[in-house]
Amino acid sequence: NAGVMQNPRHLVRRRGQEARLRCSPMKGHSHVYWYRQLPEEGLKFMVYLQKENIIDESGMPKERFSAEFPKEGPSILRIQQVVRGDSAAYFCASSPPTGSSYEQYFGPGTRLTVT
Amino acid sequence: KNQVEQSPQSLIILEGKNCTLQCNYTVSPFSNLRWYKQDTGRGPVSLTIMTFSENTKSNGRYTATLDADTKQSSLHITASQLSDSASYICVVRPGSSYKLIFGSGTRLLVRP
Repeated sequence: NAGVMQNPRHLVRRRGQEARLRCSPMKGHSHVYWYRQLPEEGLKFMVYLQKENIIDESGMPKERFSAEFPKEGPSILRIQQVVRGDSAAYFCASSPPTGSSYEQYFGPGTRLTVT
Repeated sequence: KNQVEQSPQSLIILEGKNCTLQCNYTVSPFSNLRWYKQDTGRGPVSLTIMTFSENTKSNGRYTATLDADTKQSSLHITASQLSDSASYICVVRPGSSYKLIFGSGTRLLVRP
């Protein structure tokens, strides 16, 4: 059973470009969480999604950021018109659908660098 | 405000030595506390999970303690190895929430 997969692992974008980060949850997991980790800081919750639904996006900036988890395919975190401050590591985690303690399994992360 | 604080921020030890990492939290209500190991360039991997009623839990050379009264936890690493070099993150789950509260981690470097 493959773990949580994220791609790309490293992404470089110039200011103003768009960044698309992908996350494939573990097999059988239907809950996905995105976190951002700034240098020297802990992971911060951004958004929680289930298939085709955004459950909680309270940690995500209102502008330029969006997330989706379609019925088919990976979850996508999209950042439009990136700025230098978006440079960070973005981690995705997934958890089983029900009866769990919300144990979250983390992917390896995507390191976004905005130049 | 729910917070998790870790100390020290970084630590260097010699291979074979023991060390203890600290975690203080102000998270309410408390559900569980996990220690994660995060290797450079990788995602966090769970080492231990402790609930309110557990005081000590071991996973190989890693032993975690929890004092729910003082809201403190520690992670003790015995006979350190070079592969222990990583960040160790304390994470608390508040109540039934999925919004985990992460500490900023302790960066451990084990030198030969």
